[in-house]
Amino acid sequence: GQQLNQSPQSMFIQEGEDVSMNCTSSSIFNTWLWYKQDPGEGPVLLIALYKAGELTSNGRLTAQFGITRKDSFLNISASIPSDVGIYFCAGLPSGTYKYIFGTGTRLKVLA
Amino acid sequence: DVKVTQSSRYLVKRTGEKVFLECVQDMDHENMFWYRQDPGLGLRLIYFSYDVKMKEKGDIPEGYSVSREKKERFSLILESASTNQTSMYLCASTNRGGSYEQYFGPGTRLTVT
Repeated sequence: GQQLNQSPQSMFIQEGEDVSMNCTSSSIFNTWLWYKQDPGEGPVLLIALYKAGELTSNGRLTAQFGITRKDSFLNISASIPSDVGIYFCAGLPSGTYKYIFGTGTRLKVLA
Repeated sequence: DVKVTQSSRYLVKRTGEKVFLECVQDMDHENMFWYRQDPGLGLRLIYFSYDVKMKEKGDIPEGYSVSREKKERFSLILESASTNQTSMYLCASTNRGGSYEQYFGPGTRLTVT
């Protein structure tokens, strides 16, 4: 099945730094979701986006629905050790209930 | 608080056994999904159900079947488990109208020996 391109694949950052990651698609999506997954656990929904250009925050997390509807961005401000995990995006094409998932960004925070 | 639960966190089964994975959601969602997640391959859709007794094949349905007799419950069945079905299995649900937010269960780590 199709996967979305997500970058970076992994990153080490210092505690307190800001983090940016993005997801791109060749298709237009109507909805973008961002998840965090800890090892051995199910993904947890962080943010949902529904309109092109929409900017939504959840605490230190901010996500944007790209204007072209083919990309989305997630920013984490002032990272802390518990931000460690895998973040991935999911896009929902028009006319379907089946999400397409990104390849994931593995975040490692150095204290 | 939204909730998707899965019957087991860890399972170890032998090759050839019939395996049942159960998923229950308490959000009155119409759509339910079963995925498997493997390193390097990401999340792959096995089956999808959009209503009671209704199902649709995903990307990798071979070797699996599903059952949805009640709206809140979606079961994944491995008819004859094989070692290549060792994986993390994730159930998810979404509502059909409105937000389309997809919520996942905690996962079942299945090992087939």
